[in-house]
Amino acid sequence: KAGVTQTPRYLIKTRGQQVTLSCSPISGHRSVSWYQQTPGQGLQFLFEYFSETQRNKGNFPGRFSGRQFSNSRSEMNVSTLELGDSALYLCASSLTTEADPQYFGPGTRLLVL
Amino acid sequence: AQSVSQHNHHVILSEAASLELGCNYSYGGTVNLFWYVQYPGQHLQLLLKYFSGDPLVKGIKGFEAEFIKSKFSFNLRKPSVQWSDTAEYFCAVNADSSYKLIFGSGTRLLVRP
Repeated sequence: KAGVTQTPRYLIKTRGQQVTLSCSPISGHRSVSWYQQTPGQGLQFLFEYFSETQRNKGNFPGRFSGRQFSNSRSEMNVSTLELGDSALYLCASSLTTEADPQYFGPGTRLLVL
Repeated sequence: AQSVSQHNHHVILSEAASLELGCNYSYGGTVNLFWYVQYPGQHLQLLLKYFSGDPLVKGIKGFEAEFIKSKFSFNLRKPSVQWSDTAEYFCAVNADSSYKLIFGSGTRLLVRP
């Protein structure tokens, strides 16, 4: 089976712009989660989607949003980018329940200038 | 608030040495526990998981972990490390059906040949 894929892999934006990141889960996986990884804060949960519904959300400002499509693919959007949004954004997919392990993609590295 | 602590931030070992990485979590309810590994230049990979049953779980590449509920711990062990085990190791907890993983800050392991 193909793993979790994320596009683009690298992105450079300037402050104030917005960005959309894409994630395709492992075939058959219906849950998609997003995480932000930075050297200072480590891995932090952004949100999780299942069947196009957000089931849980982390402590991030409203500039961070996401959605999931009927084919389980997911996108996350960050509006009005700030320098502190520079990070590796990871997508993970799992089958259905909270007990199923999450499998991570390679991430999108975002640099905000 | 739920949290995960990995007290060893950096560990240096020689090949064939034994490894134990500590992980403690702060949550009194039902938990699912995971160890992930991130090899240099690669994405997060699942090493092992604990949901219920036998508290000693075995994972890939000779790793194992023991869940001690009374100590809120889930330590990772390997009897004999190899140079190829050089990586960053993350402990993660999914608590109370929350559909999110809370990660520890990670432990960087360097194995000297």
